[in-house]
Amino acid sequence: TQLLEQSPQFLSIQEGENLTVYCNSSSVFSSLQWYRQEPGEGPVLLVTVVTGGEVKKLKRLTFQFGDARKDSSLHITAAQPGDTGLYLCGVPFGNEKLTFGTGTRLTIIP
Amino acid sequence: EPEVTQTPSHQVTQMGQEVILRCVPISNHLYFYWYRQILGQKVEFLVSFYNNEISEKSEIFDDQFSVERPDGSNFTLKIRSTKLEDSAMYFCASSVLRGGPPPEQFFGPGTRLTVL
Repeated sequence: TQLLEQSPQFLSIQEGENLTVYCNSSSVFSSLQWYRQEPGEGPVLLVTVVTGGEVKKLKRLTFQFGDARKDSSLHITAAQPGDTGLYLCGVPFGNEKLTFGTGTRLTIIP
Repeated sequence: EPEVTQTPSHQVTQMGQEVILRCVPISNHLYFYWYRQILGQKVEFLVSFYNNEISEKSEIFDDQFSVERPDGSNFTLKIRSTKLEDSAMYFCASSVLRGGPPPEQFFGPGTRLTVL
């Protein structure tokens, strides 16, 4: 059983469209992070959410932590080709390790 | 901007051989980590290292694996006798904080290990 399930696994959309990807679990977390990984590179942190219901915005990206702190979503408005990448949700455990989700591979078609 | 560096970028080895993957974490960071990503699969935690000792390790990190900080700047992952299933991308990461809000882990570009 996957601790963090991400959906969809793959998403390919046209430039300018909006999209939402999800990170779900049956467990409750004290915090959750979103990372983006580009080919040939390591993951790069986008945001950390810590409060149930919290919404954070990073330019065209909107991140929400579920009220029950079991799930999270990432919404991208007017997607650009530069948004292409692997989006990973991750849960820090005791500041010791990150457990990553299965990832959503996003492709934005110009 | 400070960054985590890893060498080599690609390592090819024969099954049964020992490999050492090298990382230089960001200089003022205190926590160091190794993760791996088998092709097409998710990023998996291997080990964390703090104050010159292993802080936590996963069940993947068995007796074939070891980590070391030999000289105060490098952080290495050794695999004693590589197996085919060790083929993966290995990422080093480091973070500055312990405790408080979850720290940002800064990842290196990875070493691609291919075991033949």
